[in-house]
Amino acid sequence: GESVGLHLPTLSVQEGDNSIINCAYSNSASDYFIWYKQESGKGPQFIIDIRSNMDKRQGQRVTVLLNKTVKHLSLQIAATQPGDSAVYFCAEFYSGTYKYIFGTGTRLKVLA
Amino acid sequence: NAGVTQTPKFQVLKTGQSMTLQCAQDMNHNSMYWYRQDPGMGLRLIYYSASEGTTDKGEVPNGYNVSRLNKREFSLRLESAAPSQTSVYFCASSEGGTGELFFGEGSRLTVL
Repeated sequence: GESVGLHLPTLSVQEGDNSIINCAYSNSASDYFIWYKQESGKGPQFIIDIRSNMDKRQGQRVTVLLNKTVKHLSLQIAATQPGDSAVYFCAEFYSGTYKYIFGTGTRLKVLA
Repeated sequence: NAGVTQTPKFQVLKTGQSMTLQCAQDMNHNSMYWYRQDPGMGLRLIYYSASEGTTDKGEVPNGYNVSRLNKREFSLRLESAAPSQTSVYFCASSEGGTGELFFGEGSRLTVL
């Protein structure tokens, strides 16, 4: 399978608990912030995004929080399931350049 | 819908050889991107094309060239492959100005 993520920080949580994955971003002018999930051997998949003029956005079992003061983004996963085990990346998008820049990622391990 | 299609999925090259990675999207997206992913390094932007007819350097462009052939296709060329270019390469596309970036399944390149 994929060798990506061998040296990534790892978050281990018990099945059924809530998970919080954190990310720091660099460009205070970024317009969108996005969370992606990457399973072994696959390309990243979109989870949820948030515009820069929002503080919080909720999806199905996921919530993204944006703190522009400290340039921090977090992804909360409620009632974590074994299928949530993956590597999670945050990304920022700046419309001035159309660039998407990714963070280094966090591996989430769900313990049965 | 196929989404984003990359070819080849696997390739082994010798140092100094050249090759082109092909990418095509069928979502009528304006923007297309090439990333590389190394273990522990997350996704790094190589080149991107914000719209048909334009290309720009990303974070790690050295050793690569790109061509936006038309709105659908965006190719990445390695003129003289080096072992440091061993990686998994991802192509992605977006509507432009929105949060979601759609990824292909990746191309694993090994340079001996």
